[in-house]
Amino acid sequence: AQSVTQPDIHITVSEGASLELRCNYSYGATPYLFWYVQSPGQGLQLLLKYFSGDTLVQGIKGFEAEFKRSQSSFNLRKPSVHWSDAAEYFCAVGGFGGFKTIFGAGTRLFVKA
Amino acid sequence: DGGITQSPKYLFRKEGQNVTLSCEQNLNHDAMYWYRQDPGQGLRLIYYSQIVNDFQKGDIAEGYSVSREKKESFPLTVTSAQKNPTAFYLCASSREGTGGSRNAEAFFGQGTRLTVV
Repeated sequence: AQSVTQPDIHITVSEGASLELRCNYSYGATPYLFWYVQSPGQGLQLLLKYFSGDTLVQGIKGFEAEFKRSQSSFNLRKPSVHWSDAAEYFCAVGGFGGFKTIFGAGTRLFVKA
Repeated sequence: DGGITQSPKYLFRKEGQNVTLSCEQNLNHDAMYWYRQDPGQGLRLIYYSQIVNDFQKGDIAEGYSVSREKKESFPLTVTSAQKNPTAFYLCASSREGTGGSRNAEAFFGQGTRLTVV
């Protein structure tokens, strides 16, 4: 069965510290992988996506993610977190067409001064 | 600016009433989707449409209905049959909904928070 697991419900990091959000997926074919960010009461904004090629993907706002096929993972990283990064982050996996995209339950990021 | 507009931002419904959530996009996207978001459960697909005058049930379609009479519009009706309608509803669109498309990236509206009173 297709699924996305984000093991951490919430994470707290200090401003300026590095960040890694975990995402593991189960998918029968080569997946399309996405990370979205959601501010409270808002829609989702795409941070980055992986379809093929280089397994290290750069996104907006200084985020990057690495696709590791052997580990079925697509972890999101940022070297130095800013207070404005506090939000909820969703990992998603999809095949052909957006309607088959499956979202993880989300990880809420808190940033402390 | 191109984008997706959902209205209203907040909606209150009495039990037993039907309500309709609006979703309009000017991105010229073929595919549109409705998701429901509950705390700790991520996004669950309610309905999707790949083309005008056609739509398909998602994972949790019971108690909901949609129409797709225009490419730009995909309204969602929450009927009285939906037992627990209080949630945050998100509309999204993508360039193509079929085939081996790299246009699977979804663009989201700002959401409508529906509360049953």
